[in-house]
Amino acid sequence: ETGVTQSPTHLIKTRGQQVTLRCSSQSGHNTVSWYQQALGQGPQFIFQYYREEENGRGNFPPRFSGLQFPNYSSELNVNALELDDSALYLCASSWAGQGVGYTFGSGTRLTVV
Amino acid sequence: EDQVTQSPEALRLQEGESSSLNCSYTVSGLRGLFWYRQDPGKGPEFLFTLYSAGEEKEKERLKATLTKKESFLHITAPKPEDSATYLCAVQERGGADGLTFGKGTHLIIQP
Repeated sequence: ETGVTQSPTHLIKTRGQQVTLRCSSQSGHNTVSWYQQALGQGPQFIFQYYREEENGRGNFPPRFSGLQFPNYSSELNVNALELDDSALYLCASSWAGQGVGYTFGSGTRLTVV
Repeated sequence: EDQVTQSPEALRLQEGESSSLNCSYTVSGLRGLFWYRQDPGKGPEFLFTLYSAGEEKEKERLKATLTKKESFLHITAPKPEDSATYLCAVQERGGADGLTFGKGTHLIIQP
């Protein structure tokens, strides 16, 4: 059973640029959600995708967008990067959004300079 | 708005010294309360899900309990490898399906 894999592991971008982060869900999982974790804080929910549609969103602006593909992999896109977007971005997968055992990836560390 | 508060923020224990971590929560209707362990530079690792007051779950040296307003993570005779940040999260019934996390408790077990 493969876990959740994220790429890249680290990324440095300039303010105003756009970034795409990728996630492969755990085998058998059909729901993927994304979280932002600033240093010293708990993860914050960005949004969730189920059957290729966004079905839940946290308090993040529209410049944070995503996609889920038929194989349940996912992308997080962030436009017009700001310095405060520097954080660890975590992807989590689960079965049908049930709370039992959301499995997290190791994250992508994004630094905006 | 959901709120999750964890205490203490940091805890340093001697190996073998048992203690408890607290997670207080405010939610309209609880779908589930989750405990995760996070090592530096890694994603959270799932430990437990609790669904209703009175429920308890155990795994090795860890035991999680739940009341209507808080959850405790009891650590019995901890070892240095138990050092990590422990995160508590809640999921609201009928909500956006996301987890609302606390800031975590940074636990250090000294040999």
